[in-house]
Amino acid sequence: SQQGEEDPQALSIQEGENATMNCSYKTSINNLQWYRQNSGRGLVHLILIRSNEREKHSGRLRVTLDTSKKSSSLLITASRAADTASYFCATSDKLIFGTGTRLQVFP
Amino acid sequence: EAGVAQSPRYKIIEKRQSVAFWCNPISGHATLYWYQQILGQGPKLLIQFQNNGVVDDSQLPKDRFSAERLKGVDSTLKIQPAKLEDSAVYLCASSPGLAGGLRSEQFFGPGTRLTVL
Repeated sequence: SQQGEEDPQALSIQEGENATMNCSYKTSINNLQWYRQNSGRGLVHLILIRSNEREKHSGRLRVTLDTSKKSSSLLITASRAADTASYFCATSDKLIFGTGTRLQVFP
Repeated sequence: EAGVAQSPRYKIIEKRQSVAFWCNPISGHATLYWYQQILGQGPKLLIQFQNNGVVDDSQLPKDRFSAERLKGVDSTLKIQPAKLEDSAVYLCASSPGLAGGLRSEQFFGPGTRLTVL
């Protein structure tokens, strides 16, 4: 069974727009992580948010965590064509990845 | 800092043959993971090592898959015999800390793409 489930499954936007993707999980966690995967650089860690944090920023990335709803969101602001990739959430405790959100950013 | 190294990058075999993959994690990383990623899906954890001990192998098909991490550094994953459904990318990752901890971010290798005919 999947621990992290991302939605939407696919998202297409224009450069400069913001992209928001969501993740839901099933059990209690210590922390949650977001990863990006593209053909050029493989699977790359983006950000880790701890269970006692509600929001975290890293450059153009903003992650929120709502443990009461067992959900997280990843916001990419001012998107670029290079952000085109699949994005996965994973709960660190069980190391289970979802099926990912495929983001396409058009120039 | 050198990343996680994997070899080979590609492998094509026939069903019922054997295959082995090798992984060299980032120096000093205690935890090593093997994942199987089937096209269109997220990575599925096969086995997790802490140093040279197995932490979690609950999703490893032990009738055909085996893995070892000698001396707590390099690791090999073997499939014997392979089936058609084993066609996937096999990813190795390492992290400085333990799963669930604050230093649990994983660094992934480029993967080995296995095709079973």
